[in-house]
Amino acid sequence: GEDVEQSLFLSVREGDSSVINCTYTDSSSTYLYWYKQEPGAGLQLLTYIFSNMDMKQDQRLTVLLNKKDKHLSLRIADTQTGDSAIYFCADYKGMMNYGGSQGNLIFGKGTKLSVKP
Amino acid sequence: NAGVTQTPKFQVLKTGQSMTLQCAQDMNHNSMYWYRQDPGMGLRLIYYSASEGTTDKGEVPNGYNVSRLNKREFSLRLESAAPSQTSVYFCASIGEGEAFFGQGTRLTVV
Repeated sequence: GEDVEQSLFLSVREGDSSVINCTYTDSSSTYLYWYKQEPGAGLQLLTYIFSNMDMKQDQRLTVLLNKKDKHLSLRIADTQTGDSAIYFCADYKGMMNYGGSQGNLIFGKGTKLSVKP
Repeated sequence: NAGVTQTPKFQVLKTGQSMTLQCAQDMNHNSMYWYRQDPGMGLRLIYYSASEGTTDKGEVPNGYNVSRLNKREFSLRLESAAPSQTSVYFCASIGEGEAFFGQGTRLTVV
């Protein structure tokens, strides 16, 4: 079955870059997503990348996709204390009962990012 | 979170009670989803609706029912709540690569 793996914890100092890594098993992924969840809050969509792209940059966020190795990363430049949260990687997989035209998000268990002042 | 509204935000139920969680989106997406989030388990799909008038079971459908009332609204019903259904529930709307979530419903069953 599909699987999305992330390391559980990451600790960085304020001002440093953070790199959160994710691996997935599904070779037919179409989109891959990064979400941020603060304590007691919902899932905030940070960015997503289409599977035919290698990189996407959006202000302080850079997403790198290595489709051959099924590896996705999220780099946060100049990490701030407000970036402390849990970050989820999610893989959008087409569902066979709809011929792949409809999909489901398969989530990793999340990486807790702690930013030390 | 853009365009996905969930109600209520919090709920406490007694075992055996029923309730309906409401979700509405204004992005004209065809696909809507209900997930539950439990510590150490990540998010798991309960039910989804690929379009108005269709619903399908996800990974953990037991104890739940859903209704896709129209394109905008997708509700989740617990007919007879059990303590194992204590969780945070998220509704999601997906279309054209975008996948947005509601703010969540924190449900406690005692």
